[in-house]
Amino acid sequence: DVVMTQSPLSLPVTLGQPASISCRSSQSLVYSDGNTYLNWFHQRPGQSPRRLIYKVSNRDSGVPDRFSGSGSGTDFTLKISRVEAEDVGVYYCMQGTHWFTFGGGTKVEIK
Amino acid sequence: EVQLVESGGDLVKPGGSLRLSCAASGFTFTNAWMSWVRQAPGKGLEWVGRIISKTAGGTTDYAAPVKGRFTISRDDSKNTLYLQMNSLKTEDTAVYYCTRDLDGGYASWGQGTLVTVSS
Repeated sequence: DVVMTQSPLSLPVTLGQPASISCRSSQSLVYSDGNTYLNWFHQRPGQSPRRLIYKVSNRDSGVPDRFSGSGSGTDFTLKISRVEAEDVGVYYCMQGTHWFTFGGGTKVEIK
Repeated sequence: EVQLVESGGDLVKPGGSLRLSCAASGFTFTNAWMSWVRQAPGKGLEWVGRIISKTAGGTTDYAAPVKGRFTISRDDSKNTLYLQMNSLKTEDTAVYYCTRDLDGGYASWGQGTLVTVSS
């Protein structure tokens, strides 16, 4: 199974400041079709997850442009350019190349 | 607007069975690849299984912890996805989410339904 490792586990952030979350996979996520199926999700307390990013860097409809994804191979990053109060919650990376596995989550909270 | 509404969650004893349903609307269900994802209380997300569209073969795949005990099916005439869970274990306790698969991930999620396995 592909293991997805996120860091940090907890991320205290200041409103208006940038934030970055790392996700590393135990093997390359490049699929045979040339795509890299790496997703990012955000889950607010008491709510269902919502996908933010698919195929490494593509924002889902309605996702603010302060969210961006990057990376390749086994190393990926989610960046928030300026954190807003509504961004608190847990962020998960997930790979869809070798079946489906999620990272353990990064909890974002306001300092 | 895409809507996924799960139902059927309940308290069940170990060894028991339960069937979850997911009513879909706002997209062409017949063409959709669908999955179930679960989240144990206070824990992270775990893929349970997937069913692809009938036009693509209609096959199912399952995560190792549930293989042989859980069965995913679909009724395209009712726009409904199902999860039949047998031989339930305490470690199956979780919120179960119905998801629509798109671009190698889960583009849409339901609100979830809670399954509690306890004696």
